[in-house]
Amino acid sequence: EAGVTQFPSHSVIEKGQTVTLRCDPISGHDNLYWYRRVMGKEIKFLLHFVKESKQDESGMPNNRFLAERTGGTYSTLKVQPAELEDSGVYFCASSQDYRRAPTYNEQFFGPGTRLTVL
Amino acid sequence: AQKVTQAQTEISVVEKEDVTLDCVYETRDTTYYLFWYKQPPSGELVFLIRRNSFDEQNEISGRYSWNFQKSTSSFNFTITASQVVDSAVYFCALSEIKGSSGSARQLTFGSGTQLTVLP
Repeated sequence: EAGVTQFPSHSVIEKGQTVTLRCDPISGHDNLYWYRRVMGKEIKFLLHFVKESKQDESGMPNNRFLAERTGGTYSTLKVQPAELEDSGVYFCASSQDYRRAPTYNEQFFGPGTRLTVL
Repeated sequence: AQKVTQAQTEISVVEKEDVTLDCVYETRDTTYYLFWYKQPPSGELVFLIRRNSFDEQNEISGRYSWNFQKSTSSFNFTITASQVVDSAVYFCALSEIKGSSGSARQLTFGSGTQLTVLP
């Protein structure tokens, strides 16, 4: 079974440009999360989708970030316009519907996208 | 609000030494989960362990062991007889348990500890 995949693995852009990150969750997983780790700091929650709906977007830093999950499959996270402080590693995670999980619907993480804004 | 603190930013040990990674957490929840993840140089986050807040029994899995102490809000991780392949960033994380719905919960992570095991 394929794990969570993220594209691209690395992205280098200039301040003011737009970047779109993509996450493909494990097939059948209703829950999809975005997290990010800014240089040397903790990994912080950005938002959570349940299928195509945003369940919790309390971690989104500002309105330059837009996440979508059309059709409840893959998700995109767009940063427009990118700023220097957006540099970091963006992780995606997915988990199955809790009603199908025996005890806990564990989150499986992708390899992350390293974003560098110059 | 939840908070996870990993005071050790970097640790270096020589192969075969034992090493303990510290984790202290804060939460107002009475029930919660605690986790350890490993991030090897390849970048992905690898799940290591999950503990439930009402089970303070310590756990050993091979060379790994975990010491959960609710009284001190700590969840420390020990690697016995460390190996070079253990070199990675290790993250401690906390997750609330959302009532009876069992709905999925976001993770609150610490800032990670970079472990380097030297040959």
